[in-house]
Amino acid sequence: SQQGEEDPQALSIQEGENATMNCSYKTSINNLQWYRQNSGRGLVHLILIRSNEREKHSGRLRVTLDTSKKSSSLLITASRAADTASYFCATDGGGSNYKLTFGKGTLLTVNP
Amino acid sequence: GAGVSQSPSNKVTEKGKDVELRCDPISGHTALYWYRQSLGQGLEFLIYFQGNSAPDKSGLPSDRFSAERTGGSVSTLTIQRTQQEDSAVYLCASSLATATATNEKLFFGSGTQLSVL
Repeated sequence: SQQGEEDPQALSIQEGENATMNCSYKTSINNLQWYRQNSGRGLVHLILIRSNEREKHSGRLRVTLDTSKKSSSLLITASRAADTASYFCATDGGGSNYKLTFGKGTLLTVNP
Repeated sequence: GAGVSQSPSNKVTEKGKDVELRCDPISGHTALYWYRQSLGQGLEFLIYFQGNSAPDKSGLPSDRFSAERTGGSVSTLTIQRTQQEDSAVYLCASSLATATATNEKLFFGSGTQLSVL
């Protein structure tokens, strides 16, 4: 079963705008990760945030984590056409359950 | 190689045939996952290997699916008597995660596109 669920399912924006994607999950976690997928093949790791962290930055990416609401958001600032991809959150099951499960993803389209 | 390697990249088979999909993880990675992704969908967890521990097979959809990991390295996913609903991209990933160090990112292969006719 899916642990994380991304929202929205699809997002279309113009180049230069910011894109925000959300992820909700069901159980406690050790960490939450965001991945990007181009062309339906291999995923690439973007950023990892630990359960005791609230915010993390990496370049144009900003991730927040609210463990009380079991939710996370991924913000891409100043988007580019090359950011067009599907974005997935992945969570473990907390404690010693470190199996990573993925949501269904958000398809982001950045129009030039 | 430096990354996770999967072979074949594409496989077309007839319904009822058996197929074997191979994954070469990054050297030294103790954790290995198989996921399945149908067109336009998320990643469905299939099986997880961690070091010498018994694999977590809880995601395998039926007893037609099995996987092995030999010598803690190469893994093979076998699908017996393939059905059309098995058509999907099969993704393998590995990481340095261990039982006590779980905050590790996954490195994915490019996947095997399986088409069952």
